[in-house]
Amino acid sequence: GAGVSQTPSNKVTEKGKYVELRCDPISGHTALYWYRQSLGQGPEFLIYFQGTGAADDSGLPNDRFFAVRPEGSVSTLKIQRTERGDSAVYLCASGNDRGRGYTFGSGTRLTVV
Amino acid sequence: QKEVEQNSGPLSVPEGAIASLNCTYSDRGSQSFFWYRQYSGKSPELIMSIYSNGDKEDGRFTAQLNKASQYVSLLIRDSQPSDSATYLCAVFTKEKLTFGTGTRLTIIP
Repeated sequence: GAGVSQTPSNKVTEKGKYVELRCDPISGHTALYWYRQSLGQGPEFLIYFQGTGAADDSGLPNDRFFAVRPEGSVSTLKIQRTERGDSAVYLCASGNDRGRGYTFGSGTRLTVV
Repeated sequence: QKEVEQNSGPLSVPEGAIASLNCTYSDRGSQSFFWYRQYSGKSPELIMSIYSNGDKEDGRFTAQLNKASQYVSLLIRDSQPSDSATYLCAVFTKEKLTFGTGTRLTIIP
């Protein structure tokens, strides 16, 4: 596609529920990143994929968070047993040349009530 | 010490003046440096990248890098109201981009 696509754009869920957030990167981009941004803060790194594998998942806050990229393109961020503190904008970015900057999607605003 | 530090602002600059945004980083092994602009409610947009010491100019924007001082800056000349946004400094280290908290810039007409 022309840009990084994230769906849904907004998600409201009840505490304790499971959610999946989808990222469709720019076609051909091998690197894919997930970030989380809270109000008034910069994006916080969660996980990085190079191809199908998670090259660095050190930013995932706990084992309720998991992400996959089975075919090296679309990625899904999965959050189990959501908590109110998980409320944030989840951003996906993709690129081809590590260290050359990445293009962000428009984000998914997650609200846990 | 935070990996990437920015003054959160807000920074107010009259229209037509130069806006100066600053950023410091802690990891001397950092390789690439970026400035992203983020409008309220929108996602970050890459506006400048710099990889070697010195200045890099692109239109009204100039990025400056001093690796010895671990310092990156962004100058915006002839500031316009449309430049009002949050500016995020990002540093590429150990295979990932680390962001500062951003500086909120307001251009006053």
